[in-house]
Amino acid sequence: QKEVEQNSGPLSVPEGAIASLNCTYSDRGSQSFFWYRQYSGKSPELIMFIYSNGDKEDGRFTAQLNKASQYVSLLIRDSQPSDSATYLCAVRGILTGGGNKLTFGTGTQLKVEL
Amino acid sequence: NAGVTQNPKFQVLKTGQSMTLQCAQDMNHNSMYWYRQDPGMGLRLIYYSASEGTTDKGEVPNGYNVSRLNKREFSLRLESAAPSQTSVYFCAISLGARETQYFGPGTRLLVL
Repeated sequence: QKEVEQNSGPLSVPEGAIASLNCTYSDRGSQSFFWYRQYSGKSPELIMFIYSNGDKEDGRFTAQLNKASQYVSLLIRDSQPSDSATYLCAVRGILTGGGNKLTFGTGTQLKVEL
Repeated sequence: NAGVTQNPKFQVLKTGQSMTLQCAQDMNHNSMYWYRQDPGMGLRLIYYSASEGTTDKGEVPNGYNVSRLNKREFSLRLESAAPSQTSVYFCAISLGARETQYFGPGTRLLVL
């Protein structure tokens, strides 16, 4: 079992719809969770982070965390063509030498169609 | 890219050649990281540096060395490049109380 799992997609949604991206993780002790967006040929860009069970909203984005089910999701409301990208889920762990480690899923490709 | 610069942006090497990937940050952060990204594999940690003068291995360190000579710069060296090292390399720094990671623009490396 991979540490962080995402459906690779592509997930296609019509413009204006809600896109739902999902992620599961294996380490029950994980505390911090991140969503990055990556456009083709570009570097990952942080969208949101979430630490507590429940929902966290930022503009059109909502992150949802359920630690009991080891499940994190990202909802994008009113999807726009500019949201077409790969979305990476990351789970934070602690490195023995200090600092923190992010374990990434392989990403879900989202396509927003006109 | 959160004040993180990487050079070069693109490089082609022949098998056995060496090169150094440069990463610099202008935000005075302690922790810096090198990742590689391959199709279907996601981002994987190569090496990291929690502070100036310290470095530690990540998930996939074989074939690489790093150097953190000062707080600003963290370099990744390939002593004898192999085709398996063809990848996109990202440098990252961590910021804030939660040490959220931010990435540089990346270096695309092709080893023939």
